[in-house]
Amino acid sequence: DSGVTQTPKHLITATGQRVTLRCSPRSGDLSVYWYQQSLDQGLQFLIQYYNGEERAKGNILERFSAQQFPDLHSELNLSSLELGDSALYFCASSDGTSPANEQFFGPGTRLTVL
Amino acid sequence: GIQVEQSPPDLILQEGANSTLRCNFSDSVNNLQWFHQNPWGQLINLFYIPSGTKQNGRLSATTVATERYSLLYISSSQTTDSGVYFCAGGRVSGTYKYIFGTGTRLKVLA
Repeated sequence: DSGVTQTPKHLITATGQRVTLRCSPRSGDLSVYWYQQSLDQGLQFLIQYYNGEERAKGNILERFSAQQFPDLHSELNLSSLELGDSALYFCASSDGTSPANEQFFGPGTRLTVL
Repeated sequence: GIQVEQSPPDLILQEGANSTLRCNFSDSVNNLQWFHQNPWGQLINLFYIPSGTKQNGRLSATTVATERYSLLYISSSQTTDSGVYFCAGGRVSGTYKYIFGTGTRLKVLA
């Protein structure tokens, strides 16, 4: 158990809908990272937050947004969903901002868009 | 953008064997990491290794930044080493804007 929790574990929805994925980092970790893993695109870094502020942005679509709350949990919002958004979404946390800080991954949320 | 190529794409080993996984980058990177995804999907951060050599138990990694490649060595492999190994790299120092390779799928047979 990495100490990172993600909810829900599975999500099935329809095209055009909006969903919210939630991540609770390990106790004491200030950085949260979001990743997408799909058959088409492979593993992709989406975005990083540190202590409530956006720190680094990767291949995150404009239809997607994220935020980190004062209690350090994070949410990834996906809107106007398309079939291609079906993927496993991982959250990770670390205690710092540097890539040298070890990341701990949650179990992922599997999103299926029908 | 940076292209990341991993080889071999698939590898089957007998328990106890050693292996070397390779990661090539199309351009220089300032950050480089290796990850393992087990057969149940759990991701683990193995090494942060922009240059030099690191060891952690039976695993070690070497990055030759000037030649734009990194190697992951697995010695005395165990069935628990099975899964997919990813490398990822980025050019922007101090940030996590990484590009991931497509992975090496390893299966270790008992």
